[in-house]
Amino acid sequence: DAGITQSPRHKVTETGTPVTLRCHQTENHRYMYWYRQDPGHGLRLIHYSYGVKDTDKGEVSDGYSVSRSKTEDFLLTLESATSSQTSVYFCAISEGRGMANEKLFFGSGTQLSVL
Amino acid sequence: QKEVEQDPGPLSVPEGAIVSLNCTYSNSAFQYFMWYRQYSRKGPELLMYTYSSGNKEDGRFTAQVDKSSKYISLFIRDSQPSDSATYLCAMSGENYGGSQGNLIFGKGTKLSVKP
Repeated sequence: DAGITQSPRHKVTETGTPVTLRCHQTENHRYMYWYRQDPGHGLRLIHYSYGVKDTDKGEVSDGYSVSRSKTEDFLLTLESATSSQTSVYFCAISEGRGMANEKLFFGSGTQLSVL
Repeated sequence: QKEVEQDPGPLSVPEGAIVSLNCTYSNSAFQYFMWYRQYSRKGPELLMYTYSSGNKEDGRFTAQVDKSSKYISLFIRDSQPSDSATYLCAMSGENYGGSQGNLIFGKGTKLSVKP
């Protein structure tokens, strides 16, 4: 999966607890993204980063925060998990150069269940 | 009307058949059009990438974009059981999420190719 590692691969947690998902890349790509995939909704962008400490919101950012302290790592945090955040979370990367920025490469995903 | 419409299927075809997958969209700002293939429990994998209108061929796969009709297609020739997956269309534009990798995805069509 294009040098992208997501951890953990599976997580079960309880409502109200904080959760952090990690994405690590070895491609030295500038842009990193967090998407969620749900039946009936498809893939939706949560947050993205265009450089170290540079992040912005996507379509469904409420209840999520992100951080990027190093080029290779992008963290997604659910401050207080809710059942509506049960989903499969995908990290993606892109080169960040013009048209090549439209080519996203995805990790294998994290299955998160909030009980 | 959803921005991107894609028939979820499932679509079942015999091995060797020609497969046609389609998406329609409503936003004329879209300029970049992609097809992703997603195997079960895996991340989406970029299959085809097209800028603006026209055709693009890669082996057994052909992507077509008709911007006047706001319609894109993916054709798979000589389909194989290994093509069984969910196919996602995705699109963006410079004035719509472009350069930030904010792709708008269809919900995916599940394809099954029977031996």
